[in-house]
Amino acid sequence: EVQLVESGGGLVKPGSSLKLSCVASGFTFSSYGMHWIRQAPKKGLEWIALIYYDSSNKYYADSVKGRFTISRDNSKNTLYLEMNSLRSEDTAMYYCAKWGTTTVWGQGVMVTVSS
Amino acid sequence: DVVLTQSPATLSVTPGERISLSCRASESVDTYLHWYQQKPNESPRLLIKYASQSISGIPSRFSGSGSGTDFTLSINGVELEDLSIYYCQQGNSLPYTFGAGTKLELK
Repeated sequence: EVQLVESGGGLVKPGSSLKLSCVASGFTFSSYGMHWIRQAPKKGLEWIALIYYDSSNKYYADSVKGRFTISRDNSKNTLYLEMNSLRSEDTAMYYCAKWGTTTVWGQGVMVTVSS
Repeated sequence: DVVLTQSPATLSVTPGERISLSCRASESVDTYLHWYQQKPNESPRLLIKYASQSISGIPSRFSGSGSGTDFTLSINGVELEDLSIYYCQQGNSLPYTFGAGTKLELK
């Protein structure tokens, strides 16, 4: 079964850092680009980052550029999102996703930024 | 950035009717337009890819059409389980963007 499982969320204070993980299974992780998408409470979906299959290219939404870093470890079938200088507006459910010939989303992990 | 405008924001429906949801792009996205369904506390589920391509496991009552800037998701015979929020998303140019969604509610 193709599956993505996120972890690492939680409650943090403004200005702090957090690193999310997304473990993939059921497909050849190292062959696909991967995305992070987030959804603030009661709001719509926002794409925030893309990493190519070989980490050769990374792209970010302006809202997170310079603060968030997407990375991956193909030997561990794991995608990461390192988030620095967190703000209250970063409070959201964070999803990892594989798009393309088949599309898979994880179940999401909640990040709450509050003092 | 490509702005996707979905209409209506909310649609009140009666089970069994045929409905159409609209998604309009601020510039051409060719057919790189995908439709998702999201129910409360669930991840989005892909319904239609590349404007009109069906997805395995998705009921045949869902169909998509359009290209360029104007797209439509149709549901032929709405069922109660279809009451949820529908999003369009463009994958033609970075940053990838989503529409604000259309909520289907019971009339």
